Amino acid sequence: AQSVTQPDIHITVSEGASLELRCNYSYGATPYLFWYVQSPGQGLQLLLKYFSGDTLVQGIKGFEAEFKRSQSSFNLRKPSVHWSDAAEYFCAVGGRYSSASKIIFGSGTRLSIRP
Amino acid sequence: DADVTQTPRNRITKTGKRIMLECSQTKGHDRMYWYRQDPGLGLRLIYYSFDVKDINKGEISDGYSVSRQAQAKFSLSLESAIPNQTALYFCATSDSLNLNTGELFFGEGSRLTVL
Repeated sequence: AQSVTQPDIHITVSEGASLELRCNYSYGATPYLFWYVQSPGQGLQLLLKYFSGDTLVQGIKGFEAEFKRSQSSFNLRKPSVHWSDAAEYFCAVGGRYSSASKIIFGSGTRLSIRP
Repeated sequence: DADVTQTPRNRITKTGKRIMLECSQTKGHDRMYWYRQDPGLGLRLIYYSFDVKDINKGEISDGYSVSRQAQAKFSLSLESAIPNQTALYFCATSDSLNLNTGELFFGEGSRLTVL
């Protein structure tokens, strides 16, 4: 069965510190992988996506993620977080050529920033 | 103005009442979706529509109905609201011409409370 696991419900990091948000997936075929961010009171916005090619993908706002097929992981990283990064982050998985209706979302990780 | 607009943004209602959440988009996308977000559960798909004449049930369609009035408009109805339908509801769009991307574009959400 297809699934996405975000093992950390809530993470707090200090401003300026590095960040890694974990995402593990289960998918029967080559996955398409996404990270979305939801700022307070806002809808979700795409941060980055992986379809093929280079396993390290760059996104907006200085985020990057690395696809590791052997570990079924797609962890999100940022070298130095800013207070404005406080938000909820969702990992999602879909399949090649499949509709967005087939995208499965993880349960989310809420990121708090310590001044 | 937002590309995907949801109304109302907040609504409090009583058990048994009929509620309609509306979504309109200016992105010109053909595909529209309704999601529900609950804490710790991520986003779950309620209904989706690939065009005006195509409506499909998602993962959790029981207790909900939808209407695609035009390519740009997709409304979600709760015929008889119950307290466990208290949630944050998101409308989203995608473009079938960019099927490979799988990217969803979200509205800002409609928070519904059923007393």
